[in-house]
Amino acid sequence: GQNIDQPTEMTATEGAIVQINCTYQTSGFNGLFWYQQHAGEAPTFLSYNVLDGLEEKGRFSSFLSRSKGYSYLLLKELQMKDSASYLCAVQTDSWGKLQFGAGTQVVVTP
Amino acid sequence: DARVTQTPRHKVTEMGQEVTMRCQPILGHNTVFWYRQTMMQGLELLAYFRNRAPLDDSGMPKDRFSAEMPDATLATLKIQPSEPRDSAVYFCASGLVITGNTEAFFGQGTRLTVV
Repeated sequence: GQNIDQPTEMTATEGAIVQINCTYQTSGFNGLFWYQQHAGEAPTFLSYNVLDGLEEKGRFSSFLSRSKGYSYLLLKELQMKDSASYLCAVQTDSWGKLQFGAGTQVVVTP
Repeated sequence: DARVTQTPRHKVTEMGQEVTMRCQPILGHNTVFWYRQTMMQGLELLAYFRNRAPLDDSGMPKDRFSAEMPDATLATLKIQPSEPRDSAVYFCASGLVITGNTEAFFGQGTRLTVV
């Protein structure tokens, strides 16, 4: 079957670092995406990996290991506005079809 | 400021009624997606189009759902007849696929409640 697994919820303190893990098993792979979704809003693109390794984008970094079917999103210097759901998604074809994980709710506390 | 526009933002309807949701993708994007989001199932792909041609609608209940792109500036998702289990947020997204990978830009969604 096809699975994308990520933790349901994580809590961290403002200024800290949080790492959200995602493991996947899909019939196709054309890249792995991370989206952020605030409550009641649309998902917005954060990062994208198609090759193994680390991609850094300001306070956010994403890592991919295709052989292990594993990715993580690293959020550094957490801010209150980072409280949101973080969605791991695998592009399973060459036209942009995304399969999403259930999302990880990150709660940032003062 | 390019964005995906969806209408209506909220819709409450009675079971059995027809519902039509509309989406204006970002100008120049060649791929349009319809997703549904519920607490139980998360985000699920219903259908998507490339250059207005349907690519895959296997995620959609065919007996009641239909998706079309009458022109490059409009995508529609219809439910007829609607049922309470269709209550969800429906997102349209668009992207420009050139090399096989695309960042999808999501609209604000249509929150549908079927009573």
